[in-house]
Amino acid sequence: KNEVEQSPQNLTAQEGEFITINCSYSVGISALHWLQQHPGGGIVSLFMLSSGKKKHGRLIATINIQEKHSSLHITASHPRDSAVYICAVRWNYGGSQGNLIFGKGTKLSVKP
Amino acid sequence: NAGVTQTPKFQVLKTGQSMTLQCAQDMNHEYMSWYRQDPGMGLRLIHYSVGAGITDQGEVPNGYNVSRSTTEDFPLRLLSAAPSQTSVYFCASSYSADSLNYGYTFGSGTRLTVV
Repeated sequence: KNEVEQSPQNLTAQEGEFITINCSYSVGISALHWLQQHPGGGIVSLFMLSSGKKKHGRLIATINIQEKHSSLHITASHPRDSAVYICAVRWNYGGSQGNLIFGKGTKLSVKP
Repeated sequence: NAGVTQTPKFQVLKTGQSMTLQCAQDMNHEYMSWYRQDPGMGLRLIHYSVGAGITDQGEVPNGYNVSRSTTEDFPLRLLSAAPSQTSVYFCASSYSADSLNYGYTFGSGTRLTVV
Protein backbone atom coordinates (compact mmCIF):
# COMPACT_ATOMS: atom_id res chain seq x y z
CA LYS A 1 0.00 0.00 0.00
CA ASN A 2 1.51 3.28 -1.09
CA GLU A 3 0.93 5.80 1.65
CA VAL A 4 1.78 8.77 -0.58
CA GLU A 5 -0.21 9.18 -3.77
CA GLN A 6 0.59 11.71 -6.47
CA SER A 7 -1.53 12.82 -9.38
CA PRO A 8 -1.24 13.00 -12.25
CA GLN A 9 1.48 10.46 -13.03
CA ASN A 10 2.32 12.23 -16.28
CA LEU A 11 1.58 15.77 -17.36
CA THR A 12 2.25 17.53 -20.64
CA ALA A 13 1.78 21.30 -20.80
CA GLN A 14 2.40 24.12 -23.22
CA GLU A 15 4.87 26.80 -22.25
CA GLY A 16 3.19 29.46 -20.16
CA GLU A 17 0.48 27.24 -18.70
CA PHE A 18 -0.34 27.08 -14.99
CA ILE A 19 0.45 23.64 -13.63
CA THR A 20 -0.82 21.83 -10.54
CA ILE A 21 0.54 18.58 -9.12
CA ASN A 22 -1.26 16.96 -6.23
CA CYS A 23 -0.10 14.82 -3.34
CA SER A 24 -2.27 12.94 -0.83
CA TYR A 25 -1.01 10.97 2.13
CA SER A 26 -2.52 8.69 4.72
CA VAL A 27 -0.05 8.72 7.62
CA GLY A 28 0.57 11.19 10.37
CA ILE A 29 3.33 13.50 9.26
CA SER A 30 5.52 16.21 10.68
CA ALA A 31 6.46 17.74 7.33
CA LEU A 32 6.01 17.34 3.58
CA HIS A 33 8.69 17.85 0.97
CA TRP A 34 8.51 18.62 -2.70
CA LEU A 35 11.53 17.48 -4.68
CA GLN A 36 12.58 17.90 -8.29
CA GLN A 37 14.45 15.24 -10.23
CA HIS A 38 15.91 16.30 -13.56
CA PRO A 39 16.50 13.94 -16.50
CA GLY A 40 20.14 13.70 -15.43
CA GLY A 41 18.91 12.07 -12.24
CA GLY A 42 19.89 14.48 -9.48
CA ILE A 43 17.31 15.30 -6.81
CA VAL A 44 16.87 18.81 -5.51
CA SER A 45 14.75 19.87 -2.57
CA LEU A 46 12.20 22.54 -3.53
CA PHE A 47 10.07 23.01 -0.43
CA MET A 48 9.54 21.71 3.05
CA LEU A 49 6.09 22.41 4.51
CA SER A 50 4.42 21.71 7.80
CA SER A 51 1.52 24.13 7.31
CA GLY A 52 0.17 26.81 5.01
CA LYS A 53 1.90 27.93 1.88
CA LYS A 54 5.37 28.67 0.56
CA LYS A 55 6.47 30.48 -2.59
CA HIS A 56 9.78 30.52 -4.40
CA GLY A 57 9.88 32.29 -7.73
CA ARG A 58 7.27 30.68 -9.97
CA LEU A 59 6.74 27.74 -7.64
CA ILE A 60 4.07 27.67 -4.95
CA ALA A 61 3.45 24.83 -2.51
CA THR A 62 0.46 24.47 -0.23
CA ILE A 63 -0.54 21.96 2.38
CA ASN A 64 -3.82 21.17 4.15
CA ILE A 65 -2.96 19.07 7.19
CA GLN A 66 -6.59 18.25 8.02
CA GLU A 67 -7.26 16.93 4.52
CA LYS A 68 -3.82 15.29 4.24
CA HIS A 69 -3.24 16.96 0.90
CA SER A 70 -0.61 19.16 -0.71
CA SER A 71 -0.33 20.84 -4.08
CA LEU A 72 2.63 22.13 -6.06
CA HIS A 73 1.83 24.91 -8.52
CA ILE A 74 4.05 26.22 -11.30
CA THR A 75 3.05 29.54 -12.82
CA ALA A 76 4.10 30.55 -16.35
CA SER A 77 5.63 27.14 -17.01
CA HIS A 78 8.79 26.87 -19.09
CA PRO A 79 10.48 23.95 -20.86
CA ARG A 80 13.24 24.04 -18.24
CA ASP A 81 10.59 23.04 -15.67
CA SER A 82 10.42 19.62 -17.35
CA ALA A 83 11.36 17.13 -14.67
CA VAL A 84 9.90 14.58 -12.29
CA TYR A 85 8.35 16.18 -9.22
CA ILE A 86 8.31 14.03 -6.13
CA CYS A 87 6.27 14.42 -2.98
CA ALA A 88 7.75 12.96 0.21
CA VAL A 89 6.34 12.98 3.72
CA ARG A 90 8.30 12.92 6.91
CA TRP A 91 6.40 10.60 9.14
CA ASN A 92 5.92 10.32 12.85
CA TYR A 93 7.16 6.87 13.78
CA GLY A 94 8.84 6.16 17.05
CA GLY A 95 12.46 7.20 16.83
CA SER A 96 12.47 7.42 13.05
CA GLN A 97 11.23 10.97 12.75
CA GLY A 98 13.73 11.81 10.04
CA ASN A 99 12.65 9.14 7.60
CA LEU A 100 10.82 9.98 4.40
CA ILE A 101 8.08 8.13 2.49
CA PHE A 102 8.05 9.01 -1.19
CA GLY A 103 5.38 9.22 -3.83
CA LYS A 104 6.09 7.72 -7.24
CA GLY A 105 6.55 11.12 -8.82
CA THR A 106 4.83 13.18 -11.52
CA LYS A 107 6.65 13.45 -14.81
CA LEU A 108 6.15 16.94 -16.25
CA SER A 109 6.96 17.84 -19.82
CA VAL A 110 6.58 21.46 -20.90
CA LYS A 111 6.51 22.00 -24.66
CA PRO A 112 7.72 25.27 -26.22
CA ASN B 1 31.14 22.86 -3.04
CA ALA B 2 29.39 21.82 0.11
CA GLY B 3 26.95 18.97 -0.27
CA VAL B 4 26.59 15.22 -0.47
CA THR B 5 29.14 13.36 -2.58
CA GLN B 6 28.34 9.88 -3.86
CA THR B 7 30.79 7.60 -5.63
CA PRO B 8 30.85 5.89 -7.99
CA LYS B 9 28.25 7.32 -10.39
CA PHE B 10 27.99 4.09 -12.36
CA GLN B 11 28.91 0.50 -11.52
CA VAL B 12 28.40 -2.90 -13.10
CA LEU B 13 28.80 -5.93 -10.85
CA LYS B 14 28.61 -9.64 -11.42
CA THR B 15 26.25 -11.67 -9.26
CA GLY B 16 27.97 -12.54 -6.00
CA GLN B 17 30.49 -9.71 -6.06
CA SER B 18 30.71 -7.25 -3.21
CA MET B 19 31.15 -3.51 -3.30
CA THR B 20 30.77 -0.36 -1.25
CA LEU B 21 28.88 2.74 -2.34
CA GLN B 22 30.42 5.79 -0.77
CA CYS B 23 28.53 8.76 0.63
CA ALA B 24 30.16 11.76 2.27
CA GLN B 25 28.78 15.10 3.43
CA ASP B 26 30.63 18.17 4.66
CA MET B 27 27.69 20.00 6.25
CA ASN B 28 27.96 18.44 9.73
CA HIS B 29 24.58 16.76 9.23
CA GLU B 30 23.47 14.33 11.91
CA TYR B 31 21.01 12.41 9.78
CA MET B 32 22.09 10.37 6.76
CA SER B 33 20.17 7.82 4.74
CA TRP B 34 20.31 5.54 1.74
CA TYR B 35 17.45 5.06 -0.72
CA ARG B 36 16.98 2.99 -3.82
CA GLN B 37 14.90 4.11 -6.78
CA ASP B 38 13.31 1.54 -9.06
CA PRO B 39 11.12 2.14 -12.14
CA GLY B 40 7.48 2.73 -11.27
CA MET B 41 8.20 2.99 -7.55
CA GLY B 42 8.96 5.77 -5.16
CA LEU B 43 12.33 5.94 -3.46
CA ARG B 44 12.55 3.40 -0.67
CA LEU B 45 14.62 3.67 2.48
CA ILE B 46 17.37 1.08 2.90
CA HIS B 47 19.22 2.19 6.04
CA TYR B 48 19.59 5.38 7.99
CA SER B 49 21.69 6.93 10.72
CA VAL B 50 20.87 9.66 13.24
CA GLY B 51 24.48 10.18 14.24
CA ALA B 52 27.94 8.66 14.37
CA GLY B 53 27.81 5.12 15.71
CA ILE B 54 24.03 4.84 15.29
CA THR B 55 22.39 3.05 12.36
CA ASP B 56 19.04 1.40 11.79
CA GLN B 57 17.14 -0.45 9.10
CA GLY B 58 14.66 1.08 6.74
CA GLU B 59 12.01 -0.48 4.54
CA VAL B 60 14.28 -2.64 2.34
CA PRO B 61 17.48 -3.47 4.28
CA ASN B 62 18.07 -7.06 3.16
CA GLY B 63 21.34 -7.55 1.31
CA TYR B 64 22.83 -4.25 2.51
CA ASN B 65 25.02 -3.23 5.43
CA VAL B 66 25.95 0.23 6.66
CA SER B 67 28.19 1.79 9.27
CA ARG B 68 28.65 5.34 10.54
CA SER B 69 32.07 5.68 12.13
CA THR B 70 32.26 9.43 11.46
CA THR B 71 29.68 12.19 11.06
CA GLU B 72 30.81 12.76 7.48
CA ASP B 73 30.70 9.27 5.97
CA PHE B 74 27.92 6.73 5.54
CA PRO B 75 28.97 3.90 3.21
CA LEU B 76 26.55 1.29 1.90
CA ARG B 77 27.90 -2.22 1.43
CA LEU B 78 26.55 -4.93 -0.81
CA LEU B 79 28.03 -8.18 0.48
CA SER B 80 26.91 -10.48 -2.34
CA ALA B 81 25.27 -8.61 -5.20
CA ALA B 82 22.10 -9.97 -6.76
CA PRO B 83 20.29 -8.89 -9.95
CA SER B 84 17.41 -7.66 -7.74
CA GLN B 85 19.79 -5.00 -6.43
CA THR B 86 20.03 -3.38 -9.85
CA SER B 87 18.78 0.12 -9.11
CA VAL B 88 19.70 3.75 -8.69
CA TYR B 89 20.91 4.53 -5.20
CA PHE B 90 20.69 7.89 -3.49
CA CYS B 91 22.27 9.09 -0.32
CA ALA B 92 20.60 11.98 1.52
CA SER B 93 21.42 13.96 4.63
CA SER B 94 19.75 16.45 6.91
CA TYR B 95 21.04 18.59 9.78
CA SER B 96 18.84 16.89 12.33
CA ALA B 97 16.50 13.92 12.35
CA ASP B 98 13.93 15.57 14.59
CA SER B 99 14.01 19.21 13.61
CA LEU B 100 11.44 20.65 11.23
CA ASN B 101 13.65 23.55 10.26
CA TYR B 102 15.92 21.72 7.87
CA GLY B 103 15.46 20.09 4.51
CA TYR B 104 17.34 17.27 2.89
CA THR B 105 20.34 17.30 0.59
CA PHE B 106 20.66 14.48 -1.91
CA GLY B 107 23.69 13.03 -3.59
CA SER B 108 23.78 12.73 -7.37
CA GLY B 109 23.05 9.01 -7.32
CA THR B 110 24.79 5.76 -8.19
CA ARG B 111 23.43 3.67 -11.04
CA LEU B 112 24.18 0.04 -10.22
CA THR B 113 23.68 -2.87 -12.58
CA VAL B 114 24.12 -6.46 -11.38
CA VAL B 115 24.48 -9.03 -14.15
